[in-house]
Amino acid sequence: EPEVTQTPSHQVTQMGQEVILRCVPISNHLYFYWYRQILGQKVEFLVSFYNNEISEKSEIFDDQFSVERPDGSNFTLKIRSTKLEDSAMYFCASSDFTTGVGTQYFGPGTRLLVL
Amino acid sequence: ILNVEQSPQSLHVQEGDSTNFTCSFPSSNFYALHWYRWETAKSPEALFVMTLNGDEKKKGRISATLNTKEGYSYLYIKGSQPEDSATYLCAFNPTGANNLFFGTGTRLTVIP
Repeated sequence: EPEVTQTPSHQVTQMGQEVILRCVPISNHLYFYWYRQILGQKVEFLVSFYNNEISEKSEIFDDQFSVERPDGSNFTLKIRSTKLEDSAMYFCASSDFTTGVGTQYFGPGTRLLVL
Repeated sequence: ILNVEQSPQSLHVQEGDSTNFTCSFPSSNFYALHWYRWETAKSPEALFVMTLNGDEKKKGRISATLNTKEGYSYLYIKGSQPEDSATYLCAFNPTGANNLFFGTGTRLTVIP
């Protein structure tokens, strides 16, 4: 069964460093998302991406964040200068929306720790 | 920010017991309600997407109901098994948006 994959599974970085989190969505999906979960809090939406551009973003997704689909398979989230409060589990998701309301399929997450 | 709440936060049941938990969400601007099952270190697994008031969906021993007028959904597990132990997340999809608003989850532990 097709699945969303994410790399790395864990990343530790120093405050102020740039990190890139990578995702491979399900191959025929058209919509891509990033969510995050800070420990003990709800999963929260960051950004959605369709047709090579951002379609929606939350207040969290400020200028420090960017997304890119550099080729036909990868979808990346870049944090330019990490802060302590960026420590969280980051989830990628994808959906196809070809059958009405689209189920969003999630990857296993990347746990980011900023020191 | 849309408020989605789940109760209880955690639940311990004996193997064979049936159980249920609640998700409450805004009753306005409703588009869809999603249920996910999330085991530690794995991807959240999509269980149901529900769109119509009165909808009832079933997948094996797990079923869900939806009341959009009053803003709640119930998830039922019949005859719980240890492999049902997981966190169950609901997520609200408002009209005009693709992003999901999640509840805090219900952490279910089934004791053999």
